[in-house]
Amino acid sequence: SAVISQKPSRDICQRGTSLTIQCQVDSQVTMMFWYRQQPGQSLTLIATANQGSEATYESGFVIDKFPISRPNLTFSTLTVSNMSPEDSSIYLCSVMGTGGVASNYGYTFGSGTRLTVV
Amino acid sequence: RKEVEQDPGPFNVPEGATVAFNCTYSNSASQSFFWYRQDCRKEPKLLMSVYSSGNEDGRFTAQLNRASQYISLLIRDSKLSDSATYLCVGPANAGGTSYGKLTFGQGTILTVHP
Repeated sequence: SAVISQKPSRDICQRGTSLTIQCQVDSQVTMMFWYRQQPGQSLTLIATANQGSEATYESGFVIDKFPISRPNLTFSTLTVSNMSPEDSSIYLCSVMGTGGVASNYGYTFGSGTRLTVV
Repeated sequence: RKEVEQDPGPFNVPEGATVAFNCTYSNSASQSFFWYRQDCRKEPKLLMSVYSSGNEDGRFTAQLNRASQYISLLIRDSKLSDSATYLCVGPANAGGTSYGKLTFGQGTILTVHP
């Protein structure tokens, strides 16, 4: 399965600032996904990042708050903009497993970014 | 109704016990599901895929019941190292644009004690 390098692993940020999270994959993948996991909660999909097109956002998430870049097939960034304490969460990127068919291979996740906004 | 629902637990069992988690899903057309394991402060990791009637891997057995729309995970001979949160995962419901998207249950916490 793909190996994902995600950074930073954690950060403490002042409210009103922005943080950019990076994910590097060791193989080319068509689709990358960004998730949020709030304390004590399960994962919620933020958006799908495709190379060469704008990201597709889920209900409740907007591009101005969570701009995403996907410059090539191995890299993506998620920015959390104008942060507030409510943005404190774990952010995870993921890709489909080998073969590119989620139904058979599931997802591989980055190690996550633990964000605390103060 | 949530797309995937599971009992959050927690389940506290002694070593050696057999424990089962159930998860229900709302979309009868869903074809395949996954069980992920998430350790504290770690990312989820794929435990098993379920896309036919069931799947078995050592002490772990996953079953899919399409008639009743539930998935189960059975852990036999529990080990201390099995303590984790187990996430039931299925495909997202919304039409063609949902390709590749998954929806996560809220997770079931398992604690195995000596």
